[in-house]
Amino acid sequence: DQQVKQNSPSLSVQEGRISILNCDYTNSMFDYFLWYKKYPAEGPTFLISISSIKDKNEDGRFTVFLNKSAKHLSLHIVPSQPGDSAVYFCAASDVRSGGSNYKLTFGKGTLLTVNP
Amino acid sequence: ETGVTQSPTHLIKTRGQQVTLRCSSQSGHNTVSWYQQALGQGPQFIFQYYREEENGRGNFPPRFSGLQFPNYSSELNVNALELDDSALYLCASSLPQITDYGYTFGSGTRLTVV
Repeated sequence: DQQVKQNSPSLSVQEGRISILNCDYTNSMFDYFLWYKKYPAEGPTFLISISSIKDKNEDGRFTVFLNKSAKHLSLHIVPSQPGDSAVYFCAASDVRSGGSNYKLTFGKGTLLTVNP
Repeated sequence: ETGVTQSPTHLIKTRGQQVTLRCSSQSGHNTVSWYQQALGQGPQFIFQYYREEENGRGNFPPRFSGLQFPNYSSELNVNALELDDSALYLCASSLPQITDYGYTFGSGTRLTVV
């Protein structure tokens, strides 16, 4: 049973346009969400996070939106740049009950390609 | 500030053998987690160590075991290797409480079981 789903294996956008990556989750206990970016031969790199008490968090070109009622979050990248081409993973955690252990449950990832 | 360092980067083992993977956590981080990423999948949580004790475990059999040392570095041991254990093994370090920065991941060890 996949608790975090990224239904688009890949996404291709033009440089300068908006990239929107989507993520759905099924576990209502999840209360902290993160996005990671992964280049080949490297480990995932933290991008941005959001707590369930918020519905939006911005960091420069990156904005994450959380819709708790729909159990859906999205990552917006504006404007997209060729260097953004990577696999993007959505991850979720149940912080309240985990104590000091906040394991992350990941989606399968979306390969973003930004074309010059 | 050093990041998370994993060794070796690549490894080929034969089915039935045992393997030890190593991880040095980021400076100041005292919690280490291990994840397995199979081809085409997202990382899956194996277990976490905090204060040298296992602090949570995912759905992995007991032949996956680990250690954390006083300097917060860690080892992942896998006994009786199976072909399905072929994957990228990621180590991640963090502070024990939630931060805005999540985990810091290493580049991983690519394990191939033949």
